[in-house]
Amino acid sequence: DIVMTQSPLSLSVTPGEPASISCRSSQTLLHSNGNNYVDWYLQKPGQSPQLLFYMSSIRAPGVPDRFSGSGSGTEFTLRISRVEAEDVGVYYCMQGLEIPRTFGPGTKVNIK
Amino acid sequence: EVQVVESGGGLVQPGGSLRLSCAGSGFTFSDYHMDWFRQAPGKGLEWIGRTKRTSHNIIEYAASVKGRFTISRDDSKSSVYLQMNSLKTEDTAVYFCARDGGRGPDFDDWGQGTLVTVSS
Repeated sequence: DIVMTQSPLSLSVTPGEPASISCRSSQTLLHSNGNNYVDWYLQKPGQSPQLLFYMSSIRAPGVPDRFSGSGSGTEFTLRISRVEAEDVGVYYCMQGLEIPRTFGPGTKVNIK
Repeated sequence: EVQVVESGGGLVQPGGSLRLSCAGSGFTFSDYHMDWFRQAPGKGLEWIGRTKRTSHNIIEYAASVKGRFTISRDDSKSSVYLQMNSLKTEDTAVYFCARDGGRGPDFDDWGQGTLVTVSS
């Protein structure tokens, strides 16, 4: 199975400041078609996960443009340009290249 | 509006069985893969398995549940099911179903989850 790791595991951010989460995979998520099959999800407190990005950098509908996703191969990054209070929760990366789908351990983001 | 709603959770003894349901609405159910996930208390997300859209007729499972859990779908009822047998205490979790939007995968619509507690 593909192992996903994330860093940091927790992050405390001042509103208006940027934040960055790293995700690494144990093998490349770059398909021969040129797409990188990694998704990002945010699970807000008490809620179900919500899709932020798929194929590494394609923003899901309704996701604010202060969020960006990037990366290729085995290293991926989620960035928030200016953190807002509503961004608190746990962020997960997930590989979609192979079955079984596997998630990173999650990065808990809170506001200072 | 696209909606996915799980039901059927509850308390069950170790070794027992439970069947979860997931109903979709607001989209052509037969066109989409549907996946099951779970989240143990205070833990991260785990993929359990999926049923690909009916034209593909493929069902796949995580190793942790293979042989004990069975996924099925009934497109006439816009529903997917998770039959869980030989339940263990470590199966205690909130179980989610989600629609795979088909662009990645990309799980663009999740249910609210249903809690399964395996305990004597």
